[in-house]
Amino acid sequence: GQQVMQIPQYQHVQEGEDFTTYCNSSTTLSNIQWYKQRPGGHPVFLIQLVKSGEVKKQKRLTFQFGEAKKNSSLHITATQTTDVGTYFCAAGSNQGGKLIFGQGTELSVKP
Amino acid sequence: ETGVTQSPTHLIKTRGQQVTLRCSSQSGHNTVSWYQQALGQGPQFIFQYYREEENGRGNFPPRFSGLQFPNYSSELNVNALELDDSALYLCASSPRNSPLHFGNGTRLTVT
Repeated sequence: GQQVMQIPQYQHVQEGEDFTTYCNSSTTLSNIQWYKQRPGGHPVFLIQLVKSGEVKKQKRLTFQFGEAKKNSSLHITATQTTDVGTYFCAAGSNQGGKLIFGQGTELSVKP
Repeated sequence: ETGVTQSPTHLIKTRGQQVTLRCSSQSGHNTVSWYQQALGQGPQFIFQYYREEENGRGNFPPRFSGLQFPNYSSELNVNALELDDSALYLCASSPRNSPLHFGNGTRLTVT
């Protein structure tokens, strides 16, 4: 079945450093969503990308969807301690609203 | 605006028992999805309900079943619990074909 691979699994950065997580699929995706889950919390929707080559920004966060719609990335500039959590990409499917989540990238930020 | 609420927050059951988890959708959301999240993993799609009918199902056995009520609230039932069913169960509501709003989840432990 369709799978979404996400790397890296863990990332430890010093506050102020940048952070990037990557999401890859072997099949073309109709859309990609990104969620953030704080420790002990639940996933919170960040953004959805639909168009080939799409780039969206939310303050220090930049989201990209690949030209072939098979990969996506989330880049955080100048990380802060409030960025701590696990970032998931999730691919939409044709199967009744099913989202296929990647394994997540856990970000820790050292002050 | 009330968010997605789930009950109970924590539950401990014995192998072979049955469990019912409950979810109240966010106001105005007619679609509810259930996900299972094992420790350190991304959420796995169980099923989705739209207007009281199952609208898609993931790779879970029939002992996982659900209901959606006219007020769009929902239940997840799991029969014949197994140790591997221990996980965080997340309910998410949304307008149709829109990003998900997750509840805080129910932490189920099967001993």
